[in-house]
Amino acid sequence: KAGVTQTPRYLIKTRGQQVTLSCSPISGHRSVSWYQQTPGQGLQFLFEYFSETQRNKGNFPGRFSGRQFSNSRSEMNVSTLELGDSALYLCASSWVEQGPSGELFFGEGSRLTVL
Amino acid sequence: AQSVTQLDSHVSVSEGTPVLLRCNYSSSYSPSLFWYVQHPNKGLQLLLKYTSAATLVKGINGFEAEFKKSETSFHLTKPSAHMSDAAEYFCVVTRRDAGNMLTFGGGTRLMVKP
Repeated sequence: KAGVTQTPRYLIKTRGQQVTLSCSPISGHRSVSWYQQTPGQGLQFLFEYFSETQRNKGNFPGRFSGRQFSNSRSEMNVSTLELGDSALYLCASSWVEQGPSGELFFGEGSRLTVL
Repeated sequence: AQSVTQLDSHVSVSEGTPVLLRCNYSSSYSPSLFWYVQHPNKGLQLLLKYTSAATLVKGINGFEAEFKKSETSFHLTKPSAHMSDAAEYFCVVTRRDAGNMLTFGGGTRLMVKP
C-alpha cells in the first residue's frame, strides 16, 4: 500500500510569490491534515480536511489556505510568501472519522525555502 | 487549552543503556497522548498512543510509556538503546473530539553513542 505522497519535495520561492503544495493520502483515508515544521516554532497544526470540508483550523493567517478534492487528495496554498514561511510542510492522512485520533500517517514533507 | 512540554531538548545515551524521554502535558479535557518519532529527512511515525485504556502503553521497537494523571506526565522509555533509535521524538496531546488537530511538544533529539 502506497504511503502519503507529497509533491514537490523541495522548492524555492521569492517573497511575494505564492505556492501550492499537494498531498495524496493513503488509499481509503478521508482525513488529511497539514502541519508546518520550523526550527523556531516546532510543529504547528495548519488545518484538517475531511470529506472535502475543513474540520479544524490552526492559528495561521488567511494567506494559508487549503482544499480537499473528492478523491481525498489535498492541496494547500500560501499566498504573498514571507521569509518566515520557510519550513517543512507535512501532510498526514487518517481513516479515523470520529473519536480518539492521532493515528496519523505522515508524508516526508515539502521543504519550502523563501528567499 | 492544551499544551505539551518535553523537558529535554537533547538526550544522549550509550548503546545498550536505558532511554528516558520526559513529557508533561496540560489539558482541560481528558487527553489522548502519543509519541511520534522522526528520523532525518523523513516524516513522522507513530510509536505509541494512550486513549484512556491501560495506563502503561507498549509501542513499536521496544518503546513504552506510562500515563500518570497525578503527575500529568507521559514519559517514554526503552530498556536498551540501539543505534537505530537515534532520531527526534515528539510527545503529542489532543482532545478526543478534536479530530486530527494535534498539539506537539518541542521535540527531544536522542543521540546514541556506540
